[in-house]
Amino acid sequence: EDKVVQSPLSLVVHEGDTVTLNCSYEVTNFRSLLWYKQEKKAPTFLFMLTSSGIEKKSGRLSSILDKKELFSILNITATQTGDSAIYLCAVELPGTYKYIFGTGTRLKVLA
Amino acid sequence: NAGVMQNPRHLVRRRGQEARLRCSPMKGHSHVYWYRQLPEEGLKFMVYLQKENIIDESGMPKERFSAEFPKEGPSILRIQQVVRGDSAAYFCASTSTYEQFFGPGTRLTVL
Repeated sequence: EDKVVQSPLSLVVHEGDTVTLNCSYEVTNFRSLLWYKQEKKAPTFLFMLTSSGIEKKSGRLSSILDKKELFSILNITATQTGDSAIYLCAVELPGTYKYIFGTGTRLKVLA
Repeated sequence: NAGVMQNPRHLVRRRGQEARLRCSPMKGHSHVYWYRQLPEEGLKFMVYLQKENIIDESGMPKERFSAEFPKEGPSILRIQQVVRGDSAAYFCASTSTYEQFFGPGTRLTVL
């Protein structure tokens, strides 16, 4: 069964810390892996990854994909309280338009 | 350019009633996804629609649930004879390429 697993389930850090969120998947030959940030409303798009080893970066956030080991990580450096959210990872199933989402990592950044 | 709109934002129904959830995609987008999110869980794919066409409904229960996206007007997710287990947040997302833009969701509570 196609599966996306995120870890840790939740994380509490202090402002300024660096965090690494993990997403592993059991989907072969997928087309893309996406990261989203969900605060108290709609998920907002962060990154789309399609190729192994190429880091995507946006400000303090960065992400990379390892297609051989079937995982992706999302790094956030110098965390701020505004980074507190649920971070969702999703994998697009091959040959479909369907996305499988992980359960998310709940990040809380304390001032 | 208005974002994805969903209404109502909150919907309360008694068991056995019908729930209708509406989603207006972003301007220029002709594809819509519907997802369900239970507390502490990730987004679960339900259905993927194009205008006047259901492309993939493999995530939608066969009984009581239906979805449409007419040529004119919003996409509608309809749940007949609701049960308590239908209580969840229902998100729609519209897309033109790979990036999905999510609406604010409809929180359905079944009493």
